[in-house]
Amino acid sequence: DAGITQSPRHKVTETGTPVTLRCHQTENHRYMYWYRQDPGHGLRLIHYSYGVKDTDKGEVSDGYSVSRSKTEDFLLTLESATSSQTSVYFCAISQGMDPSYGYTFGSGTRLTVV
Amino acid sequence: GDSVTQMEGPVTLSEEAFLTINCTYTATGYPSLFWYVQYPGEGLQLLLKATKADDKGSNKGFEATYRKETTSFHLEKGSVQVSDSAVYFCALDSNYQLIWGAGTKLIIKP
Repeated sequence: DAGITQSPRHKVTETGTPVTLRCHQTENHRYMYWYRQDPGHGLRLIHYSYGVKDTDKGEVSDGYSVSRSKTEDFLLTLESATSSQTSVYFCAISQGMDPSYGYTFGSGTRLTVV
Repeated sequence: GDSVTQMEGPVTLSEEAFLTINCTYTATGYPSLFWYVQYPGEGLQLLLKATKADDKGSNKGFEATYRKETTSFHLEKGSVQVSDSAVYFCALDSNYQLIWGAGTKLIIKP
């Protein structure tokens, strides 16, 4: 049983359309994160959540919004997709704020904006 | 701000070779340091960590020592296997946020 799943795994969308990516966890962890991974940049934090309806921005939040209405689900929305948002998106969970707890990552969503 | 610098890849080695992947950091204070590994098609997994100076993290034959004098956290393994082929990321804890290096791709040839 995977403790964290992302959907969809792959998506191709057109410029200007809204897109929502889903992260679902079964671990009951309080902290959830959305990252994007691009060559040469490592991972960059988009948004994170520290509880139901509690979210905050990361370093690359422009053009993205998030929602967390239940502990287990953390949604990432690209309000109007652009080609610069073509990337691999990873969700991560953690039981504590301190990264020493270790993050558990999903398998990623590969998004292509054409 | 805080940052992490990793050696550029790909790093290509033969099986049973000795591995070093360099990681240096810039930060205020003494942050916790991490190595994560990403196997093809998968998410990242925590490989090892060190929370204070001179600590040595170890797992699966990999080791890294927190060196505050050189602000480094180099990843080492004495004898690599084909199954170690992956991308390795160094990261540091900056006010409870992880700052990531760009990643180093490791290719092990049989």
